[in-house]
Amino acid sequence: NAGVTQTPKFRILKIGQSMTLQCTQDMNHNYMYWYRQDPGMGLKLIYYSVGAGITDKGEVPNGYNVSRSTTEDFPLRLELAAPSQTSVYFCASSYAGGAYEQYFGPGTRLTVT
Amino acid sequence: GESVGLHLPTLSVQEGDNSIINCAYSNSASDYFIWYKQESGKGPQFIIDIRSNMDKRQGQRVTVLLNKTVKHLSLQIAATQPGDSAVYFCAEKGATTDSWGKLQFGAGTQVVVTP
Repeated sequence: NAGVTQTPKFRILKIGQSMTLQCTQDMNHNYMYWYRQDPGMGLKLIYYSVGAGITDKGEVPNGYNVSRSTTEDFPLRLELAAPSQTSVYFCASSYAGGAYEQYFGPGTRLTVT
Repeated sequence: GESVGLHLPTLSVQEGDNSIINCAYSNSASDYFIWYKQESGKGPQFIIDIRSNMDKRQGQRVTVLLNKTVKHLSLQIAATQPGDSAVYFCAEKGATTDSWGKLQFGAGTQVVVTP
């Protein structure tokens, strides 16, 4: 099992550009999540999904969009990138909600200049 | 509002000693707690979890203690090794249906193991 994979590993965007961060899991998990981690800080939930076709906002959704057309994939879209979106982005998945461990991908380091 | 925080931002530990990482939480309704380890440049990795109906849980070289009276969580690492150097996060999950799977993370504690 590869677990949770993310691409790209690094990306530099100019202000106003758009991009999609890819996330794939091969554990057949229903639940998937996107977090951002700013330097020296904990993880903030951006969006989550409880299954294919179902997504909902987390704590910091502004400036982002997601879709979940398959169980395996959960891409995160940044429209009109802003310097405030400079961060490390982590995708995670879990078997179910509640008291279940979330498995994290290696992260994407994004810089917006 | 709800928060999960850590008492010490940096913990320096001598190799072979035991480490204790502390975490305070404010939501008395939280029913699940989890510790993650994050090495530099990597994603968080699960260490151990505990449900609110337990006071203690042990894993391999790690023990988590939960004190619901004072809303305190701690992670103990026995015989700390250089490979234990990382940032450690605690996270909590609320007990309401609205917080089914949402974990609230603390800021993290940097553990530095010295020879």
